Amino acid sequence: GENVEQHPSTLSVQEGDSAVIKCTYSDSASNYFPWYKQELGKRPQLIIDIRSNVGEKKDQRIAVTLNKTAKHFSLHITETQPEDSAVYFCAASKGNNDMRFGAGTRLTVKP
Amino acid sequence: GAGVSQSPRYKVTKRGQDVALRCDPISGHVSLYWYRQALGQGPEFLTYFNYEAQQDKSGLPNDRFSAERPEGSISTLTIQRTEQRDSAMYRCASSSWASGGANTGELFFGEGSRLTVL
Repeated sequence: GENVEQHPSTLSVQEGDSAVIKCTYSDSASNYFPWYKQELGKRPQLIIDIRSNVGEKKDQRIAVTLNKTAKHFSLHITETQPEDSAVYFCAASKGNNDMRFGAGTRLTVKP
Repeated sequence: GAGVSQSPRYKVTKRGQDVALRCDPISGHVSLYWYRQALGQGPEFLTYFNYEAQQDKSGLPNDRFSAERPEGSISTLTIQRTEQRDSAMYRCASSSWASGGANTGELFFGEGSRLTVL
């Protein structure tokens, strides 16, 4: 099955700075790459996703980039705020089949 | 229902007992996933269904674990002869999109069932 690796495992930034989280995947057939945010004690929730026919997608302060050749994708958060503090997970799947998650990145935004 | 519902939310059992965890997905959702999540870790894939068909069970740790979704809606994850290492949060997620289509493919997670094996 698909193997997703995520880095870094922890990330601390100052409020207003940018944060970047990177993931790699192993299965070249994967074509759907979502990112989930999980706040303490809550369930993971989708924040942004990208399909393999697109190289970049942006939604306000959040953007995701995809490099199919290198099989890696990244989450970029600009102008970070304390409420961005959470654990972020990347995932990869073929269609919506066989979705596998990365190990997560704990982001701390210091005020 | 309005969201993915899991029961029980908390289960404490003694080693060697069987447990059954239930997932009620969002009405009409085609895909249903089971994950296990350790504290601070990513969801670990266990198995998933499209409709009633189990598509992949390669993530089930061993043959004490099984899952079913007989009518393509509610699913049950069963752990037989529980061991302490089975203690974890078990999360169910559903999605309306099995393949292609205009939907996002978003997985909607339940609150989880926290299992503690003594």
